Amino acid sequence: SQQGEEDPQALSIQEGENATMNCSYKTSINNLQWYRQNSGRGLVHLILIRSNEREKHSGRLRVTLDTSKKSSSLLITASRAADTASYFCATVSGGETSGSRLTFGEGTQLTVNP
Amino acid sequence: GAVVSQHPSRVICKSGTSVKIECRSLDFQATTMFWYRQFPKQSLMLMATSNEGSKATYEQGVEKDKFLINHASLTLSTLTVTSAHPEDSSFYICSARMTSKVNEQFFGPGTRLTVL
Repeated sequence: SQQGEEDPQALSIQEGENATMNCSYKTSINNLQWYRQNSGRGLVHLILIRSNEREKHSGRLRVTLDTSKKSSSLLITASRAADTASYFCATVSGGETSGSRLTFGEGTQLTVNP
Repeated sequence: GAVVSQHPSRVICKSGTSVKIECRSLDFQATTMFWYRQFPKQSLMLMATSNEGSKATYEQGVEKDKFLINHASLTLSTLTVTSAHPEDSSFYICSARMTSKVNEQFFGPGTRLTVL
């Protein structure tokens, strides 16, 4: 299995509910990022959390990072139908000025039913 | 700001032909661009990293003679799929990174390639 595994693979909830997605990784990281992808489209950067941070908020998004467990979670509160998309975590390892390549997780397909 | 475009958005070609995909950073200079491949309902797999003015660095298992990458300017990188086969059909996405924001990549909208 590869760096950045996510669960669940698919999540279906009702509008207004909260959605939680989890991501696990294997190697040490500099930072972890969450991206959103609408069907057949490019990726949109949502939030970045550094390895020395434990929690970060951005609007209705809350990201946590547990480096001891090598895991992260993305919480979307008060979900909307427009939040329906695939969500990917991506890790960055190695020197921040050399490459900073992203390694993506498998993704979680979120469906928010109106 | 930080907009990346790709052209074409969709292409259908016959087996054996070559297809060129362009990736442009519209409002910033991208010293590094990345090319990813995504199969349906799967994650993005990095194919290669392209630095302006130098040869691309390919990931293990990616044939550099089949997937030609050129990054001739700070705003343009191209991926050419040579002698395309049906198994090359996929969604190709590029991203660009600016010097001042090394932690963030800005993604293009992707190109859907179908090889008949």
